[in-house]
Amino acid sequence: GAGVSQSPSNKVTEKGKDVELRCDPISGHTALYWYRQSLGQGLEFLIYFQGNSAPDKSGLPSDRFSAERTGGSVSTLTIQRTQQEDSAVYLCASSPQGYRYNEQFFGPGTRLTVL
Amino acid sequence: DQQVKQNSPSLSVQEGRISILNCDYTNSMFDYFLWYKKYPAEGPTFLISISSIKDKNEDGRFTVFLNKSAKHLSLHIVPSQPGDSAVYFCAASGSWETSYDKVIFGPGTSLSVIP
Repeated sequence: GAGVSQSPSNKVTEKGKDVELRCDPISGHTALYWYRQSLGQGLEFLIYFQGNSAPDKSGLPSDRFSAERTGGSVSTLTIQRTQQEDSAVYLCASSPQGYRYNEQFFGPGTRLTVL
Repeated sequence: DQQVKQNSPSLSVQEGRISILNCDYTNSMFDYFLWYKKYPAEGPTFLISISSIKDKNEDGRFTVFLNKSAKHLSLHIVPSQPGDSAVYFCAASGSWETSYDKVIFGPGTSLSVIP
């Protein structure tokens, strides 16, 4: 399919372990976004990429969270030393241009459970 | 402090009737608004948007109304169908003109359309 894909779809990990979440955006989309949705909450912005650079990292909740994007395509969100409060659905989205007000195309999300 | 509020966590409507989902925002720098729809285990999908230069935008059964002075927008679905049952997110952003390029999502309203 030509949509945004994310892997894994589900991840269960133990507190203190590191996890990597992957996002494959729609081909040609220069902008990529990471959000998370905790139970009963709205979408919380984490980070935004324009190409390989991240002009806005303001949403990353702590220095345990990092993200990179290589080749202007695939992005990886890494959470180090996971905590139970990191449990959430992590959503990735992409859009054709770098302007935030454009429609974003979302992937199905990765459900992270930290035991 | 929530900049985009959806004060009704849930709404139930009879099939064929009108569904009205409300959204309020606090930041006057927002001038572009979007509605996304989310089914369980899927990512949100774009539904309809409106620029602040308009007070209404219509697309089939979906109409968004914007009251800029009240910082309020609403999504009307007429007639409502069971397939419309989903979580609806309101999102607000600045445009290129305002140079305020964050997209902020509301907490969502879960709509149930009863057959």
